[in-house]
Amino acid sequence: AQSVTQPDIHITVSEGASLELRCNYSYGATPYLFWYVQSPGQGLQLLLKYFSGDTLVQGIKGFEAEFKRSQSSFNLRKPSVHWSDAAEYFCAVGDPGGYQKVTFGTGTKLQVIP
Amino acid sequence: DSGVTQTPKHLITATGQRVTLRCSPRSGDLSVYWYQQSLDQGLQFLIQYYNGEERAKGNILERFSAQQFPDLHSELNLSSLELGDSALYFCASSAGTGGRDTQYFGPGTRLTVL
Repeated sequence: AQSVTQPDIHITVSEGASLELRCNYSYGATPYLFWYVQSPGQGLQLLLKYFSGDTLVQGIKGFEAEFKRSQSSFNLRKPSVHWSDAAEYFCAVGDPGGYQKVTFGTGTKLQVIP
Repeated sequence: DSGVTQTPKHLITATGQRVTLRCSPRSGDLSVYWYQQSLDQGLQFLIQYYNGEERAKGNILERFSAQQFPDLHSELNLSSLELGDSALYFCASSAGTGGRDTQYFGPGTRLTVL
């Protein structure tokens, strides 16, 4: 069965600092991988996705993620964090083919301090 | 504004009751997805419809059912409600069934079962 681990429940970074959120997955073949963001009191928004090709994927809001098959990881990065990035971030893994039957991680809550 | 609308925004009901949550996808999107976000279970994929037909099923209870109508709006029916069904229910839409399309989320319906 597919699964996702986000080892960091809570991360605090200073505004302007770089960010890396960790995500490890378990899946039998090459999965679809996603990062979503949920701002306080808001719905979900898809940040980026990987399904094939270049292992470094660019998303919205200046985020990027790198798929590393050997490490079963799909870490999310941003070079310089803004206060508006404070939110909860969810990594997800799914069957090839689309958004159906995705399994979500437990989320990482990001706090940004001035 | 994602273009996906959900009604109602909040719903408070009692155990044993039945409720219907409604979702209107973005104009032109044929796929609708339902998700549940609860404190106990986290984020879970429930079910997907594409152009009126069920495409994929996740961790959806037998007490729950969904359908997508000819005008493409979708309804999620929850019956014999239990306290544990209290959660935020999101719907999302995408143009097709593949992951190459961007997925857009609605603001969610917060269900409280007393």
